[in-house]
Amino acid sequence: SQTIHQWPATLVQPVGSPLSLECTVEGTSNPNLYWYRQAAGRGLQLLFYSVGIGQISSEVPQNLSASRPQDRQFILSSKKLLLSDSGFYLCAWSLGTGANVLTFGAGSRLTVL
Amino acid sequence: AQSVSQHNHHVILSEAASLELGCNYSYGGTVNLFWYVQYPGQHLQLLLKYFSGDPLVKGIKGFEAEFIKSKFSFNLRKPSVQWSDTAEYFCAVSSGGSYIPTFGRGTSLIVHP
Repeated sequence: SQTIHQWPATLVQPVGSPLSLECTVEGTSNPNLYWYRQAAGRGLQLLFYSVGIGQISSEVPQNLSASRPQDRQFILSSKKLLLSDSGFYLCAWSLGTGANVLTFGAGSRLTVL
Repeated sequence: AQSVSQHNHHVILSEAASLELGCNYSYGGTVNLFWYVQYPGQHLQLLLKYFSGDPLVKGIKGFEAEFIKSKFSFNLRKPSVQWSDTAEYFCAVSSGGSYIPTFGRGTSLIVHP
């Protein structure tokens, strides 16, 4: 069966520090991968998605970037965090073709101080 | 761009009450519709989905949703809620040639025993 792992679960970082959140999927090949940010009362905002290694699409211009160095690995990064980057970040995957169900990770709570 | 509206942001019910959560979307063509649920401390997970066929779809735990194309709606219903239904509920829609769902803002449901 497929599983999705996301870490770290909780992170407290100072303003201006770098960020790296990692997500890996097991049990499937060539998944579509997604990074969402969940803010209270604002739903899920799509940040990045990827249909293959090295292929990243950005939905919202901001202080963050994403990379997919391996088929089942998706990384969310920042060189210098802002206070506004605080939030709950969710990684998700879906099958690579057609309209499909997203399977979400447990999420990473980022607090920038 | 596709937009999804969930009009009820916070709903408080007593056990055995009936539930209906509204979801409306803006795209007029072919759509795929989803309800996701996030129970306290758990991953966001699929509750039910509609791709085609019978517009009344049934999901887990006694939930159902009805796709009404003329009203651009996909409302979630349950005839008798339980305390364990306390969670946040998200409607999502993907449309046209895009497999990427757009999420609503979510509805927080609290069920009192």
